[in-house]
Parts: sequence; C-alpha cells; structure tokens
Amino acid sequence: DAGVIQSPRHEVTEMGQEVTLRCKPISGHNSLFWYRQTMMRGLELLIYFNNNVPIDDSGMPEDRFSAKMPNASFSTLKIQPSEPRDSAVYFCASYRAPSPLHFGNGTRLTVT
Amino acid sequence: GQQVMQIPQYQHVQEGEDFTTYCNSSTTLSNIQWYKQRPGGHPVFLIQLVKSGEVKKQKRLTFQFGEAKKNSSLHITATQTTDVGTYYCAGLSSNTGKLIFGQGTTLQVKP
Repeated sequence: DAGVIQSPRHEVTEMGQEVTLRCKPISGHNSLFWYRQTMMRGLELLIYFNNNVPIDDSGMPEDRFSAKMPNASFSTLKIQPSEPRDSAVYFCASYRAPSPLHFGNGTRLTVT
Repeated sequence: GQQVMQIPQYQHVQEGEDFTTYCNSSTTLSNIQWYKQRPGGHPVFLIQLVKSGEVKKQKRLTFQFGEAKKNSSLHITATQTTDVGTYYCAGLSSNTGKLIFGQGTTLQVKP
C-alpha cells in the first residue's frame, strides 16, 4: 500500500501564477478530501469527492480555487491566480468506510 | 454550519505530567476520530469512537465519547517527549456526512 501520494512536496511561485496540486488516493478508496492547513486557521476542509463526484465545495475560499477528480485514482486542486495569502500546506486524504482517513504528506505552497 | 471546537489550543507540560484535550461539536456526531500530527508531518489516525459513552485505551492514551455523542476527550497519562505533536479530533456529522476537524491541541513536553 503506497498510501496517498501528493505532488509536488514543495511549490514556490510568484503571485499571479497558476498552481496545480496533484493527488493519487489509495486504491479502492472512494472518498477524497482536500484540506488546507495554516497556523492561524488549522485544518480547513476545502472540498470532498465521493465516487469522483464533488459533494461539498463550500470550503473553497473563492473562485480562484477549483478542484477536479476525473477518475478514481487522480485529483487536482488548482489555484489561478495565486496570491500570497494562499501560502499553506495542502493535504489530500482518502478513505473508504469503515477505514479511517489517510493523509498524504502534503504540498507546502509558498506564494511570493 | 457544523462546528467542532477543541481546547486548549496549546499545552506545555513537564515530562511525566498528564495531559487532556477536549472536543465539542455543535451537532450530534455519528462517530469521532482522533489524529496526531508530528511537527512537519501529516495527521495520522489514532482511533475512532462510535458508541455513546464509549471509552477506549491505547497504552497511556484514553479516549472517551460523550453520552450525547457531541463531545469527546483524549487523556494522556505520564507524558513522554514522544507525545509531542498536535492532536486533532474530527467529528463525522450525522446530518451531512462531513468530517470536520477541530482546531487541534498542540502539546509540548519538557524533558
């Protein structure tokens, strides 16, 4: 079991650039979550998918953020255009009931 | 919307002292999960509680789920430096099926 795989591990970009974060969930898991973690706000749920369908995106900060899950083994979180306040660690997590949530190692995003 | 509140935000203890973090939900939960995140790492699942009033133990860690299924606690007996990290509770809403994390409690242990 390779676990949840996220890429890149680190991303440094300039304000205004497009950023794409990638996630490969654990095989067989049918739910996928994107979280953002900052010192100020802790772990925030951005969006989650069930069977590749977005169920709740109420945590997505604004229209600059978008997420897709074209198939059961891949998801992306895109920020366009990026802003310095988007700097955070972005975690992807997956699960299939009744197993618990498995997190990836995260992508540390820095927008300058 | 649903909220999961966790206190305290930070706790500094001397090695050997006990530690407790508390979690409260604004709505009834289907279950509550606890995760630990080491500095620089990602949250790792510790345990899940499902039944009202449930108590589970993992060595020095004791987890409780309230009778009303709206609150929970994690108690560590005789802390060790390896207990350092941030402990998160996460509640699964009975209504929405969403898993919402508390703000976390960061534990520092002085040797």
